[in-house]
Amino acid sequence: DGGITQSPKYLFRKEGQNVTLSCEQNLNHDAMYWYRQDPGQGLRLIYYSQIVNDFQKGDIAEGYSVSREKKESFPLTVTSAQKNPTAFYLCASRSSGTTNEKLFFGSGTQLSVL
Amino acid sequence: DQQVKQNSPSLSVQEGRISILNCDYTNSMFDYFLWYKKYPAEGPTFLISISSIKDKNEDGRFTVFLNKSAKHLSLHIVPSQPGDSAVYFCAASMNRDDKIIFGKGTRLHILP
Repeated sequence: DGGITQSPKYLFRKEGQNVTLSCEQNLNHDAMYWYRQDPGQGLRLIYYSQIVNDFQKGDIAEGYSVSREKKESFPLTVTSAQKNPTAFYLCASRSSGTTNEKLFFGSGTQLSVL
Repeated sequence: DQQVKQNSPSLSVQEGRISILNCDYTNSMFDYFLWYKKYPAEGPTFLISISSIKDKNEDGRFTVFLNKSAKHLSLHIVPSQPGDSAVYFCAASMNRDDKIIFGKGTRLHILP
C-alpha cells in the first residue's frame, strides 16, 4: 500500500530542544517537500529536495534543518532557533517530471511547545 | 506580501446548492492554478487545476473559472454535498512543476 507516512502524529517540544519529524514515502518519488501550516494560514514551504543528497531552502527555512540521505526519507529537524515552532507540519512528494497535480501529501504532524 | 489571497475564511452553503469559492492573485507571472481540499488532521488532496491559457476547466461537479485580466479565479461546486465540507486552498505556480504558493484557505460548511 503506497503512500507517505509522517510520524509522530502529535509531538511536544520543550523550550530549547531540537525535535525531528519523520517523513517516509514508498512511492519511489524523487522530490520531497516540507510545509508548515499555521491556523488561518496557507501552507508555507520550509525545505525541498529534488534528489538524494541535495536540498534547497524554501520561503521559511530559518530554524529548520533537513537531510536527504535516502530517496524514501526526508526528516525535518526543528531546532531551538525556531522561535515559534507550534504548527501543523506537512510532508509531500512527487516524481520528477510530473506536475503539481501529482503532489501527494502525508497526514501531517502537529508540533506543540510545552 | 500575500501573492495568493482567499478573502473569505469561511462559507456556509445549503446542501444541493452551488458553492462558489473565490481566489485572487497578485503575481502576473503565475501560469498555473490549482485547488486543494483538506479535511482536519489530514494532508491536502488535489482537486482541480487550470492553465492560464484557459478560462474554464470542468471535472464532474467541480468547475474552475479563471479571469486573467482581473487576476481572479473561482471554484464552483454543483450540487454541494455533505462530503464537500472541508478547507479549500487555492494555489498558484509559475508553471506546472514549479514551487506552489498557497492561499490561506476557505472553510466550506455544507448545511443539511
